[in-house]
Amino acid sequence: AQSVTQLGSHVSVSEGALVLLRCNYSSSVPPYLFWYVQYPNQGLQLLLKYTSAATLVKGINGFEAEFKKSETSFHLTKPSAHMSDAAEYFCAVSENTGNQFYFGTGTSLTVIP
Amino acid sequence: GAVVSQHPSWVICKSGTSVKIECRSLDFQATTMFWYRQFPKQSLMLMATSNEGSKATYEQGVEKDKFLINHASLTLSTLTVTSAHPEDSSFYICSATKSTDTQYFGPGTRLTVL
Repeated sequence: AQSVTQLGSHVSVSEGALVLLRCNYSSSVPPYLFWYVQYPNQGLQLLLKYTSAATLVKGINGFEAEFKKSETSFHLTKPSAHMSDAAEYFCAVSENTGNQFYFGTGTSLTVIP
Repeated sequence: GAVVSQHPSWVICKSGTSVKIECRSLDFQATTMFWYRQFPKQSLMLMATSNEGSKATYEQGVEKDKFLINHASLTLSTLTVTSAHPEDSSFYICSATKSTDTQYFGPGTRLTVL
């Protein structure tokens, strides 16, 4: 069975500061891992995904995430926060067949000017 | 490409009526479509998985007679909330896959039942 834990339901950073959103997973098979962003009253937009290729994955809008098997983590980072990054971020895991997704509870990112 | 649309984006209905929500994959054929429900400030809860031409697979606790899912083609799935009640008010989001690894999400439909 798979599950995802996102530590910190709310994260606040100053504009220009490092963004770090944490995601830990559990999976009995090699996982596929995803980060999605959701803006208010909108659906989810894929930021990046890990599918057993390079462990450091680069996504859109300057985000990247590193898959660390030893730590069962897939933390999302961005070197410099922008006001437009304020949103809800969801980490998700699926089996290598990719169909059933398990979402974390989400992290709300606030960017302080 | 990989655009998923939903219609309507927002619907208000009276208690006891039925509401149909459409989910379309606009530029690809979706092997599988998923329906999620999201309460305010919470994560997405998977309701059901549907494959074209076959019955949907519902998650535990989701009433299949209450939430009717039809997946008539590779680009269209519909969710009908039958005899809607205020507790059915929620944000409903669909997603579709064109390969085995990534789900592409629609913009969501906000249902308000008066």
